[in-house]
Amino acid sequence: AQSVAQPEDQVNVAEGNPLTVKCTYSVSGNPYLFWYVQYPNRGLQFLLKYITGDNLVKGSYGFEAEFNKSQTSFHLKKPSALVSDSALYFCAVRGSSSNTGKLIFGQGTTLQVKP
Amino acid sequence: DTAVSQTPKYLVTQMGNDKSIKCEQNLGHDTMYWYKQDSKKFLKIMFSYNNKELIINETVPNRFSPKSPDKAHLNLHINSLELGDSAVYFCASSLRDGEGYEQYFGPGTRLTVT
Repeated sequence: AQSVAQPEDQVNVAEGNPLTVKCTYSVSGNPYLFWYVQYPNRGLQFLLKYITGDNLVKGSYGFEAEFNKSQTSFHLKKPSALVSDSALYFCAVRGSSSNTGKLIFGQGTTLQVKP
Repeated sequence: DTAVSQTPKYLVTQMGNDKSIKCEQNLGHDTMYWYKQDSKKFLKIMFSYNNKELIINETVPNRFSPKSPDKAHLNLHINSLELGDSAVYFCASSLRDGEGYEQYFGPGTRLTVT
């Protein structure tokens, strides 16, 4: 069965410091991995994805994520956090063999960036 | 030029009532989804349609019935509303393929059942 784990309910960082939001997954076959961000009272916005190729993927707003097959992880990173990055972040996965597009989401991690 | 839109944004109703939520996308996608986000922000897929064909139907009570009149629209009708149906419902769309296209989400409909 497919699953996603985000081990931290909340991550606190100071503005200007690097941030990491962790994600591990379990899926049959090769994974398609996604990160989404949700601001208060808004829908989810797509940040970046890993499909194949380079393990380091770059996305919107200066975010990047590193795919690590051996550790089944896809951690979200940013070199220098902004207060405006404070939001709820979701990792999601689907198996490449899935023909329905069904995404499994993690439980979400709240990122709090303090000035 | 809203990509995925939902109406209404807020819906407050009493137990036992029937209500509908509408979703429209202008992205030219062929697949649409309904998700439910509970009070703990957990997000779970309910249904998905591809070109008006139901392709995902998770374990959802029969009181929930999706309808897709065309590939740009996906509506959700809920009969005999219960307190536990209170949640935020998100519509999303994507291209269906083997390449892992991302899904685009609407702004959500906050349903409150009293």
